[in-house]
Amino acid sequence: GAVVSQHPSWVICKSGTSVKIECRSLDFQATTMFWYRQFPKQSLMLMATSNEGSKATYEQGVEKDKFLINHASLTLSTLTVTSAHPEDSSFYICSARGRGLTSYEQYFGPGTRLTVT
Amino acid sequence: DQQVKQNSPSLSVQEGRISILNCDYTNSMFDYFLWYKKYPAEGPTFLISISSIKDKNEDGRFTVFLNKSAKHLSLHIVPSQPGDSAVYFCAARASAGGTSYGKLTFGQGTILTVHP
Repeated sequence: GAVVSQHPSWVICKSGTSVKIECRSLDFQATTMFWYRQFPKQSLMLMATSNEGSKATYEQGVEKDKFLINHASLTLSTLTVTSAHPEDSSFYICSARGRGLTSYEQYFGPGTRLTVT
Repeated sequence: DQQVKQNSPSLSVQEGRISILNCDYTNSMFDYFLWYKKYPAEGPTFLISISSIKDKNEDGRFTVFLNKSAKHLSLHIVPSQPGDSAVYFCAARASAGGTSYGKLTFGQGTILTVHP
């Protein structure tokens, strides 16, 4: 099956610093990548949709200047949390959909646990 | 506005018995429904899906039922095994095009515990 990786798997950073999370599709070309965040005991909330080579589409309430998304290639998307604050601490998960894959199926990465101190 | 709801936060079942996980939705534009299984600190794993034009889809021990008139779907696991213990999310896809095509709306999840 399609494999999606994320790096790092966990990160601790100080308030005010920026953190970059990578999402890679390992064995397929991801034409679309999605970024989610999950708070404890809550659902996955879609933050943004990123199509290769174009600007990301952010969901309502998500600050695009704070959560910078880049989808520069068909196998890599990055999420940068700028000027992180403790309330940004969460579990961030990416998913990817690619050519040749059923359009309704997304393959998820293992997630990145971000803790801002 | 929670468009996909899983009203049972948890479910406990004996090994070998049936597990029934429920999901309700409000958006009639959803055209595809999926169930994902998730372990702590891991990403969700796709389990089974169903198109809105069907009312049942079966894959091994897993069966998903869709009742469009009630805007309700359920996942049946028979027989349940301890390894099935995880969080189960239902998700729905809206039949919209554009740059957000394929985006999923998730329910809150149900923690399933299967006791030996």
